[in-house]
Amino acid sequence: GAVVSQHPSRVICKSGTSVKIECRSLDFQATTMFWYRQFPKQSLMLMATSNEGSKATYEQGVEKDKFLINHASLTLSTLTVTSAHPEDSSFYICSGMRGRDGYTFGSGTRLTVV
Amino acid sequence: GESVGLHLPTLSVQEGDNSIINCAYSNSASDYFIWYKQESGKGPQFIIDIRSNMDKRQGQRVTVLLNKTVKHLSLQIAATQPGDSAVYFCAEMDSSYKLIFGSGTRLLVRP
Repeated sequence: GAVVSQHPSRVICKSGTSVKIECRSLDFQATTMFWYRQFPKQSLMLMATSNEGSKATYEQGVEKDKFLINHASLTLSTLTVTSAHPEDSSFYICSGMRGRDGYTFGSGTRLTVV
Repeated sequence: GESVGLHLPTLSVQEGDNSIINCAYSNSASDYFIWYKQESGKGPQFIIDIRSNMDKRQGQRVTVLLNKTVKHLSLQIAATQPGDSAVYFCAEMDSSYKLIFGSGTRLLVRP
């Protein structure tokens, strides 16, 4: 089946530094990739939608200058958390879209900012 | 002031019993719905889906029911097993193909 590989699975960074999270679709072309954030005991909240070769579309309340998304190829999308702060600590999950109704999720990245 | 965290509702069932997890969705125009299972520290795992032109769909040990009149989805798990313990989310696809997740239910299976 379709697989999205997400790395790293866990990362700890110092406050003020930047962290990059990668999602690769291994056996399909993900023209669209969705990025979610999930706080403990809460649901997945959509942050942004990225389409290959174009600028990402951010949901209301998500700072585009803080969460930089790049979707340079059909198999790779990256999320960079810039100038991270403790409140950015969360579980970040990507999802690649396979056609109209197929979504494959990555395994998530646990970000801890200290 | 002090913030109040959200708590997932929990359904506790005896191993071997049937489980029913409910979900209310928000957009009457949504035409595709998916149930996901999420284990701790992992991404969501697809369980079953249903389109708005159906009101019931069955899989292996799972059944999804859709009531468009009241915008309600349910997931039925037959003969619940310890491995079914997880958090379950419903999700609806909007007109721009975004998946919007519901609030989730934690399923605990008692041995």
